[in-house]
Amino acid sequence: GQQVMQIPQYQHVQEGEDFTTYCNSSTTLSNIQWYKQRPGGHPVFLIQLVKSGEVKKQKRLTFQFGEAKKNSSLHITATQTTDVGTYFCATRDSWGKLQFGAGTQVVVTP
Amino acid sequence: GAGVSQSPRYKVAKRGQDVALRCDPISGHVSLFWYQQALGQGPEFLTYFQNEAQLDKSGLPSDRFFAERPEGSVSTLKIQRTQQEDSAVYLCASRPYAADRGYEQYFGPGTRLTVT
Repeated sequence: GQQVMQIPQYQHVQEGEDFTTYCNSSTTLSNIQWYKQRPGGHPVFLIQLVKSGEVKKQKRLTFQFGEAKKNSSLHITATQTTDVGTYFCATRDSWGKLQFGAGTQVVVTP
Repeated sequence: GAGVSQSPRYKVAKRGQDVALRCDPISGHVSLFWYQQALGQGPEFLTYFQNEAQLDKSGLPSDRFFAERPEGSVSTLKIQRTQQEDSAVYLCASRPYAADRGYEQYFGPGTRLTVT
């Protein structure tokens, strides 16, 4: 089974709006990674978070790791059509093996 | 530079046929992973190589699945006597280092396997 749960499963967003997707675990995580997969494409690494309460920004994307290291969020501001795709969170073991969530599929309407 | 490449990109197999999927990782990358991605799901781990050594094959769903990386570069995932439930995208990923050093994985485009 998957160690991390993602909500929502689908997200319909109007262009220009903000949205947030969440990743939750019942256990404490040592790290969390976020990937983006465009339709028909492959996962592309976005970021890794390892510290409690860590916040990282990439342009319009803000990533956060919870204080208890059991949840993470990805917030996108001013959504653009280029943000279309599925966003996955994943946790990595010491060998690099990734355990992915089921993803949040984002659809942007102009 | 070149990324991870996989071939074929698409494969249609009749139930019961054997298939072989190839992965060419980024040159010099020590670690290589195979994942299986069913439609609408996240990738699921299959197996991990460090150079030519297969260190973890806990995700292989049955003994019909076999993977190798004999010279520590190119890897092949073989599925014997394919079943309909094997239909999925098979993703290969590599990264430069062995254990907990560096963390980004580079994924190939995947092979979409359809078993009819």
